Amino acid sequence: DTGVSQDPRHKITKRGQNVTFRCDPISEHNRLYWYRQTLGQGPEFLTYFQNEAQLEKSRLLSDRFSAERPKGSFSTLEIQRTEQGDSAMYLCASSLERGTGAPVGDTEAFFGQGTRLTVV
Amino acid sequence: AQKITQTQPGMFVQEKEAVTLDCTYDTSDQSYGLFWYKQPSSGEMIFLIYQGSYDEQNATEGRYSLNFQKARKSANLVISASQLGDSAMYFCAMREPPFSGGYNKLIFGAGTRLAVHP
Repeated sequence: DTGVSQDPRHKITKRGQNVTFRCDPISEHNRLYWYRQTLGQGPEFLTYFQNEAQLEKSRLLSDRFSAERPKGSFSTLEIQRTEQGDSAMYLCASSLERGTGAPVGDTEAFFGQGTRLTVV
Repeated sequence: AQKITQTQPGMFVQEKEAVTLDCTYDTSDQSYGLFWYKQPSSGEMIFLIYQGSYDEQNATEGRYSLNFQKARKSANLVISASQLGDSAMYFCAMREPPFSGGYNKLIFGAGTRLAVHP
């Protein structure tokens, strides 16, 4: 396992269609994050999983967005009825929580190469 | 709320010279983590360096060092001996501590595009 992998790398879809992205984190990592990055901006947090539990969702995640992480391994992000404003890079990241005794912020998040979505 | 500010949209540097990328942050928490990531044109975010708020020494990783000035709330990245392959977007980020209600998610600045000239 060489890192976080995302599939597909690029997706072009027509407005109104549904799309699904997949993220495979580093195998021992229990934390998984989805971010969205629009052109010229830094990534913005979308949602977070600890194992299979989705613990936080950003206000950016409208009802058309849903994310899952069955069995605490890979994760999927689905966008229903896509809009042109959904065009962005969707980044997945994973990290390892070392437990309550570990120093805060002691582990960095590793990112995948992202899925670039274009809605036409 | 936490916030990261990167005031330099773009920077130019001559190969083999040093360059400093600015980052200021705003938080009311006493415990936090600061990160720098590099994003080449291929899109992946590459971790460069980490600084904890309680670390007394500035972090260093090879050619990268972080100039951490806690009182000024700044965490500037210094790249020494720039190489052509350093041309990329650079993002400063802060991680929320879990006891602030967050789950260690990262808050990013808008980034600085660095161009290294031969």
